Amino acid sequence: AQTVTQSQPEMSVQEAETVTLSCTYDTSESNYYLFWYKQPPSRQMILVIRQEAYKQQNATENRFSVNFQKAAKSFSLKISDSQLGDTAMYFCAFDQISGAGSYQLTFGKGTKLSVIP
Amino acid sequence: SAVISQKPSRDICQRGTSLTIQCQVDSQVTMMFWYRQQPGQSLTLIATANQGSEATYESGFVIDKFPISRPNLTFSTLTVSNMSPEDSSIYLCSVSGGDSSGANVLTFGAGSRLTVL
Repeated sequence: AQTVTQSQPEMSVQEAETVTLSCTYDTSESNYYLFWYKQPPSRQMILVIRQEAYKQQNATENRFSVNFQKAAKSFSLKISDSQLGDTAMYFCAFDQISGAGSYQLTFGKGTKLSVIP
Repeated sequence: SAVISQKPSRDICQRGTSLTIQCQVDSQVTMMFWYRQQPGQSLTLIATANQGSEATYESGFVIDKFPISRPNLTFSTLTVSNMSPEDSSIYLCSVSGGDSSGANVLTFGAGSRLTVL
């Protein structure tokens, strides 16, 4: 079974600054997907960014980028130029590519990020 | 990505009663999932709703407590039966859709917040 660990229950960052959220995972799979989801106070879960394990290049989406270290099983999220709208719970998630467990994401416990004006 | 309508958005229920949550998707989808998010916790998969067959439940969840219907490819319901205060949670419907990379990206509804007194 896969596990996802987010060691930072809460973080805060000043507006316009950069913040990094940590995520580690454990799996015996060699091919899988990793995701960061955002859950604002409104509760709607939104996909922020995804990474395919077989790609060495780190994924980027505008102000969001990841640092994917496959050997270390680490998948951190960097938010640049933080904005007030980035205030939310951030969940790291794992999905195996094939087999009985695919499409059934395993989520970490989340990191509550507060952006301070 | 698919648009999901979930209702009720919130409800306050009495102990021992049952409540049915509805999930409507604006397009046909093969796989629909029900997650539970207990207060301050991460998301836990309850079951996969299969069209034309019984739902597939995860460990710790049983059909008698969480009966699920999936009458067609755009609709599903989750019933929380014989509720107790421990069932107070947010229940989220999600659907799986492949993107251009083939990643198993989940789209979520806004959730149904149940409070059991």
